[in-house]
Amino acid sequence: GDSVTQMEGPVTLSEEAFLTINCTYTATGYPSLFWYVQYPGEGLQLLLKATKADDKGSNKGFEATYRKETTSFHLEKGSVQVSDSAVYFCALSHLGGGNKLTFGTGTQLKVEL
Amino acid sequence: EAQVTQNPRYLITVTGKKLTVTCSQNMNHEYMSWYRQDPGLGLRQIYYSMNVEVTDKGDVPEGYKVSRKEKRNFPLILESPSPNQTSLYFCAAGVHSYEQYFGPGTRLTVT
Repeated sequence: GDSVTQMEGPVTLSEEAFLTINCTYTATGYPSLFWYVQYPGEGLQLLLKATKADDKGSNKGFEATYRKETTSFHLEKGSVQVSDSAVYFCALSHLGGGNKLTFGTGTQLKVEL
Repeated sequence: EAQVTQNPRYLITVTGKKLTVTCSQNMNHEYMSWYRQDPGLGLRQIYYSMNVEVTDKGDVPEGYKVSRKEKRNFPLILESPSPNQTSLYFCAAGVHSYEQYFGPGTRLTVT
């Protein structure tokens, strides 16, 4: 079945540092890929998405590129802020099949001044 | 404002005492779903609904029931809760999985 693997956290960075959170997936066919963010005490919010190979999703300074050859969808940001501290979830979905999102385990990011 | 609401936000209960967690959405979306979030396991789908009166099992449906009598509501029912159902629960709604809106979560503790 489908699965998503994320790097273990927590990841602790200084403000303005470069961020990479690794995500790889196992799936049949051509899933869509997502990054969701969960701020403390809140539900998940869609951060960005990519629906086909080589697509780049971007939002709020975050980017991720759908790499089918390496089955990866790494999240990057050039300069993190304290307000980016949250848990980040990589996820995939297929059209049909209940439209289920398959999530990774989440990576906690802490950004310090 | 697009919104998914859940009630209660926090609940402590005892083994075997039936409970219902409500979920309501104001976006007129057909698709709704319940997830549970556990440390080290991420989010796992419990049940989903593609439309009114259409529900199906997700990955971890044991011990849960749902109903979808109207489009906006999708309650999660635990007929006889057990301690292994202690978790953080999220309801979600969307046109499809591409963009799901999540509720704020319900933290359930079963003693």
